[in-house]
Amino acid sequence: GAVVSQHPSWVICKSGTSVKIECRSLDFQATTMFWYRQFPKQSLMLMATSNEGSKATYEQGVEKDKFLINHASLTLSTLTVTSAHPEDSSFYICSAKGLWWEQFFGPGTRLTVL
Amino acid sequence: GESVGLHLPTLSVQEGDNSIINCAYSNSASDYFIWYKQESGKGPQFIIDIRSNMDKRQGQRVTVLLNKTVKHLSLQIAATQPGDSAVYFCASLSETSGSRLTFGEGTQLTVNP
Repeated sequence: GAVVSQHPSWVICKSGTSVKIECRSLDFQATTMFWYRQFPKQSLMLMATSNEGSKATYEQGVEKDKFLINHASLTLSTLTVTSAHPEDSSFYICSAKGLWWEQFFGPGTRLTVL
Repeated sequence: GESVGLHLPTLSVQEGDNSIINCAYSNSASDYFIWYKQESGKGPQFIIDIRSNMDKRQGQRVTVLLNKTVKHLSLQIAATQPGDSAVYFCASLSETSGSRLTFGEGTQLTVNP
């Protein structure tokens, strides 16, 4: 149980375009999901907390207009990178919060912006 | 600010040896400490956790030790196998922070056959 999927697993896009990444909890409902980004050989950095039916809470320094988060249902959160640039190239990972404190992580999405 | 850091960025061991990965943390208000394993190109995988009111917890081939006096956490892996090669992260959370995790920098464990 407690499986989280992400789609796509990798994406290559041109600079200036927008990219949407989906995060789904497959066998449980998650009122809270988290979005992280990870640069090569670095740790995970929390970008935002996504709560179903309400606005996401962004971490300091994360541009909310650039990284749009929508948590429209209890099993789906989406992250849209708007007007992507090469510096946005990264590994984006989502997680879904379980009943207690635990977080179940997705497999990640590799974004490459040319 | 809150931070969780690791002592060693890389660790290389021989297959069959025991591995010890260390982590220092700064937030004494953390309620849980968690170890994750991340293989290349994949998301983090839960290994083991320990609540702040405990000092030791054992799992299958893994043991986590917590020393609150010196704010130190360690992960011990017994009889390390090549499949254990990965980056290991410690993380902490405070229940009052809405389950937000703070990750350490990670240790690359390499197991040599």
